[in-house]
Amino acid sequence: AQSVTQLGSHVSVSEGALVLLRCNYSSSVPPYLFWYVQYPNQGLQLLLKYTSAATLVKGINGFEAEFKKSETSFHLTKPSAHMSDAAEYFCAVRGQGAQKLVFGQGTRLTINP
Amino acid sequence: EAGVAQSPRYKIIEKRQSVAFWCNPISGHATLYWYQQILGQGPKLLIQFQNNGVVDDSQLPKDRFSAERLKGVDSTLKIQPAKLEDSAVYLCASSYEAGTNQPQHFGDGTRLSIL
Repeated sequence: AQSVTQLGSHVSVSEGALVLLRCNYSSSVPPYLFWYVQYPNQGLQLLLKYTSAATLVKGINGFEAEFKKSETSFHLTKPSAHMSDAAEYFCAVRGQGAQKLVFGQGTRLTINP
Repeated sequence: EAGVAQSPRYKIIEKRQSVAFWCNPISGHATLYWYQQILGQGPKLLIQFQNNGVVDDSQLPKDRFSAERLKGVDSTLKIQPAKLEDSAVYLCASSYEAGTNQPQHFGDGTRLSIL
């Protein structure tokens, strides 16, 4: 069975600083990996997905994530934080086949002016 | 394209009452999902439909929760009777097909409060 661990339930960075949100997964087969963002009182919006094509995946709003099989990680980064990035971020994993999407607990990102 | 539509956005009921949520997925999406998101946690899958058939309902508390997707389009999720621990946001999502790298598209959810 797949599982996801997001390290750090809260991350706070200054505006303009690097954003790094950590995600580690466990899967017995090469997984599909996703990052979603959730703004207050809204549903989840897809930021990016890994589908075994390229290990460095670029998403919307300047975010990117790197798949590292040896570390079973899929960390999300953004070089320069913007106030509008403040939200909850979820990492999710799904094994190949019709298996369900398993979400991490989420990381709340706060941007300090 | 229009997104996933959910209603109502908010609902407040007393414990032991019943409640129903409605979801209209993106046109052409065969797969529909209902998730429960408790405050401070990630979404947890309650039930997955492929057209009008159930694919996975292993985490649906079937003694009180029920869901249907009769014509393979709209879906309703019902809770009867509600318990205090059912307070959560109920998210509906849809995807073009299941079991691939197709992303799920989420609605804005229904926030349920049980008094």
